[in-house]
Amino acid sequence: NAGVMQNPRHLVRRRGQEARLRCSPMKGHSHVYWYRQLPEEGLKFMVYLQKENIIDESGMPKERFSAEFPKEGPSILRIQQVVRGDSAAYFCASSPFVGSEQYFGPGTRLTVT
Amino acid sequence: DAKTTQPNSMESNEEEPVHLPCNHSTISGTDYIHWYRQLPSQGPEYVIHGLTSNVNNRMASLAIAEDRKSSTLILHRATLRDAAVYYCILRRDNAGNMLTFGGGTRLMVKP
Repeated sequence: NAGVMQNPRHLVRRRGQEARLRCSPMKGHSHVYWYRQLPEEGLKFMVYLQKENIIDESGMPKERFSAEFPKEGPSILRIQQVVRGDSAAYFCASSPFVGSEQYFGPGTRLTVT
Repeated sequence: DAKTTQPNSMESNEEEPVHLPCNHSTISGTDYIHWYRQLPSQGPEYVIHGLTSNVNNRMASLAIAEDRKSSTLILHRATLRDAAVYYCILRRDNAGNMLTFGGGTRLMVKP
């Protein structure tokens, strides 16, 4: 059973461009979570999705950030008009049901130049 | 949400046991105690969780104080691969959506 997959592993974007981060949860998992880890800081929750629905986006910045988890395909975290402060490691996690342990992917390291 | 307090860092010798403490004096009756760890340049990894009784699995043991205001993650025989940041996290009713990560304890293992 493959683990949580994220791609790309590294992404470089210039200021003002868009960044699209993809996450494929573990097989059978319908709950997906996105976290961000800024340099030298802890992990912060961003958004929780369950197939086709955003359940909790209390950690998402109000502008430029969006997330989706379509019926088919991976979950996507989209950052429009990136700024240098968006440079961070973005981790996706999945779980088979609410409250169970979360399984994390290897992360996407976004660098904004 | 109830908070947890952990030492910033700890050091251990390889092949010796490690006891990682966590204080959670404001824990509520329905808060489960979860431990995750993050190896360098990797995503976090689930380690263990419990409510009141001590728990064991293949990775570690979790000892929970009788009053539940503190707990200890025990690695029975540290290896170099156990060098990581260890996070103690409370989850109400073992549910909720997100994991709230604090600063964790950076464990260094000396050969």
